[in-house]
Amino acid sequence: GAGVSQSPSNKVTEKGKDVELRCDPISGHTALYWYRQRLGQGLEFLIYFQGNSAPDKSGLPSDRFSAERTGESVSTLTIQRTQQEDSAVYLCASSPRTGGSQPQHFGDGTRLSIL
Amino acid sequence: AQSVTQLDSQVPVFEEAPVELRCNYSSSVSVYLFWYVQYPNQGLQLLLKYLSGSTLVKGINGFEAEFNKSQTSFHLRKPSVHISDTAEYFCAVSGDSGTYKYIFGTGTRLKVLA
Repeated sequence: GAGVSQSPSNKVTEKGKDVELRCDPISGHTALYWYRQRLGQGLEFLIYFQGNSAPDKSGLPSDRFSAERTGESVSTLTIQRTQQEDSAVYLCASSPRTGGSQPQHFGDGTRLSIL
Repeated sequence: AQSVTQLDSQVPVFEEAPVELRCNYSSSVSVYLFWYVQYPNQGLQLLLKYLSGSTLVKGINGFEAEFNKSQTSFHLRKPSVHISDTAEYFCAVSGDSGTYKYIFGTGTRLKVLA
């Protein structure tokens, strides 16, 4: 079956523009996570969805970042007024159920470059 | 709070030699531990996981890891590496409460030399 799909795979935009990143999780997966990976670093947690609600938004770096999930499927991460420090790979992951023992399945990420 | 330390940022090793990638974690509660591999321009692929039970865990591509609670470690090993194992390896920890988010280490770049 299909894995986690993210689009676009690459996005180049000018500082100050808004960007929207999309994640299609594996069908039936109720948990969805967004992470950010800066060059040469590990992954930072951004936000977690259980179904359509987001119990934990603690990793969002500023109020310029927001995310939503509809229909317990697609999720969108929006970054407003982008800054150069937002340049990173944004990874989405999903798991069948909520729980720390559930392996997370990752997409290939969106590489965001802010000029 | 949980944290993960991968002390080696880069590990060069010759083909067919054994390798160990180190991972230490910190947690005040029971943990689940994972190793992921990331090939260039790709997402993360699960290599293996420790949930409970036997402390020696076998994964894909000939990798294995041993959970050591007393040393709070979960080192990844392979007895004989191939060129194709060249990649970034991430150790991650999660717990059984709260968000269930993963806390990742900073990664170890394994470079297999011919």
